[in-house]
Amino acid sequence: QQNVQQSPESLIVPEGARTSLNCTFSDSASQYFWWYRQHSGKAPKALMSIFSNGEKEEGRFTIHLNKASLHFSLHIRDSQPSDSALYLCAVSMSGYNKLTFGKGTVLLVSP
Amino acid sequence: NAGVIQTPRHKVTGKGQEATLWCEPISGHSAVFWYRQTIVQGLEFLTYFRNQAPIDDSGMPKERFSAQMPNQSHSTLKIQSTQPQDSAVYLCASSLDSSGNTLYFGEGSRLIVV
Repeated sequence: QQNVQQSPESLIVPEGARTSLNCTFSDSASQYFWWYRQHSGKAPKALMSIFSNGEKEEGRFTIHLNKASLHFSLHIRDSQPSDSALYLCAVSMSGYNKLTFGKGTVLLVSP
Repeated sequence: NAGVIQTPRHKVTGKGQEATLWCEPISGHSAVFWYRQTIVQGLEFLTYFRNQAPIDDSGMPKERFSAQMPNQSHSTLKIQSTQPQDSAVYLCASSLDSSGNTLYFGEGSRLIVV
């Protein structure tokens, strides 16, 4: 049974700061790793994904994946107030598109 | 493309009543998922359809919850004899079925059982 844990539970950072969010998973056979973002009252939306060890950058956002450590992370450069949201990490296995989510990190970026 | 459409957006039911929630997936998506979101438990998987066939209902509370997908354009989640602990946001998502494809979520149906 896949267990996905996120840390921290909540985070307040000033505008312009670098933000780091963490996710650990329990099943070493996991293949696909996602970050979703959910603004209050809205649908979760896929932010970024990574499928192999290493780093992937898209604009201000970077994902790091270390499968051996069962850990991946999301880093936000130059955080903006519009980045304030619930960040959800998720993991899926090969051959099956079902995602198992962590409970989320609430990020507040103060102007 | 209107995205995943869920109705109703809000529903209040009395304890013991039945609630039916509807989902229209994105056209062309063969995989449909139902999740439940609460503050305490986060996003919990309920059930999954592939090409309208039920594939995995391992997250469904067995006695009062049921889900169907009678055609490719809609799925329903039915909760019988609702209880206060069923209060949650129920989220539907759809995707292309191959592994690694993005799940697109609807905005959810907020169910409150009083």
